[in-house]
Amino acid sequence: AQSVTQLGSHVSVSEGALVLLRCNYSSSVPPYLFWYVQYPNQGLQLLLKYTSAATLVKGINGFEAEFKKSETSFHLTKPSAHMSDAAEYFCAVTTNTGNQFYFGTGTSLTVIP
Amino acid sequence: GAVVSQHPSWVICKSGTSVKIECRSLDFQATTMFWYRQFPKQSLMLMATSNEGSKATYEQGVEKDKFLINHASLTLSTLTVTSAHPEDSSFYICSANPLYNSPLHFGNGTRLTVT
Repeated sequence: AQSVTQLGSHVSVSEGALVLLRCNYSSSVPPYLFWYVQYPNQGLQLLLKYTSAATLVKGINGFEAEFKKSETSFHLTKPSAHMSDAAEYFCAVTTNTGNQFYFGTGTSLTVIP
Repeated sequence: GAVVSQHPSWVICKSGTSVKIECRSLDFQATTMFWYRQFPKQSLMLMATSNEGSKATYEQGVEKDKFLINHASLTLSTLTVTSAHPEDSSFYICSANPLYNSPLHFGNGTRLTVT
């Protein structure tokens, strides 16, 4: 079975500061990992994905994530937070042998001006 | 590419009535679509997997007679909330992926309010 854990349901950063959102996964087979962003009253938008290629993955809006197998982590980072980054962020996992996606509980990012 | 359209974006209905929500894949075919429910400030809860041409697969605890799913074509799945009650009020989101195990693409969700 697969699962993801997002540490920190709420994260606050100052505008221009580093953003770090944590995601740890559990999977008995090689995982495919994703980060999504959700703005209020909208669906989820894909930020980036890891599908067993390069371990450092770059996504949209300046976000990137690094797959670390030894730490079973896939943390999301952005060097400099922008006000428009305030949203809910979800980590998700699936595998290449199944089409079931498992989502974390989400992290709400607040950017302080 | 890979656009999923969901309609309506919001709906208000009276208790006891039924509401239909449509989910369309606009530029790809989807033999499988997923329906999620999201409570305020919470994650997505998978309700059911919609399978084109066959019965949907419901997650444990989801009433299949209350949440009717029809996947009549490769680009359309519908979720009908039957005999809606206030506790059914929620944000419903559909998703699909163009290829097996490719990222899910989400509709913009439907805010259902039952009065």
